[in-house]
Amino acid sequence: ETGVTQTPRHLVMGMTNKKSLKCEQHLGHNAMYWYKQSAKKPLELMFVYSLEERVENNSVPSRFSPECPNSSHLFLHLHTLQPEDSALYLCASSQAAGRGYEQYFGPGTRLTVT
Amino acid sequence: GQNIDQPTEMTATEGAIVQINCTYQTSGFNGLFWYQQHAGEAPTFLSYNVLDGLEEKGRFSSFLSRSKGYSYLLLKELQMKDSASYLCAVNTGGFKTIFGAGTRLFVKA
Repeated sequence: ETGVTQTPRHLVMGMTNKKSLKCEQHLGHNAMYWYKQSAKKPLELMFVYSLEERVENNSVPSRFSPECPNSSHLFLHLHTLQPEDSALYLCASSQAAGRGYEQYFGPGTRLTVT
Repeated sequence: GQNIDQPTEMTATEGAIVQINCTYQTSGFNGLFWYQQHAGEAPTFLSYNVLDGLEEKGRFSSFLSRSKGYSYLLLKELQMKDSASYLCAVNTGGFKTIFGAGTRLFVKA
């Protein structure tokens, strides 16, 4: 595996379900990110981890819960979601967090909340 | 507030040159990125500008004017595979990068 991988690629869940999104980076990077991408809207930064420590939490509802057990893995735990949470969820990594470091994105998980 | 503006859509002809503009108003500035995103795929990095001026990389160039809060991405010798969305993004300091909504470029034969 190379680059940034995400599983599952597609997920349909009811509002009462609990599910988790997984991201893995094979680039030796120290920072990882979760973004939400809705149709015709800018990417919204949700969470940033640097060296496994959460350094940014962008006013995200508590029904989204991130976890970073090590610098290669990032999870997004989902529970009691709303239909407006349906979107593409992108994971990204960079050499370090902050200025000048381009981000490498995974293919995303297309989430549909019914 | 923080704001990044770019045109929603543009159309250009194969072999031509196209310029995609981006204006930004942010509370801080630590560099501007351009990403390309094909439909259904992940964004991929194209360029980074932190100082004023033009950065050239093959068929792609990116320009920055910090005093004007303005950047553009220039694509030369357009190819059909350049049809994609182009995202302008600003690192506002620390760990935060803000993205524009993207410009969908259609390249026609």
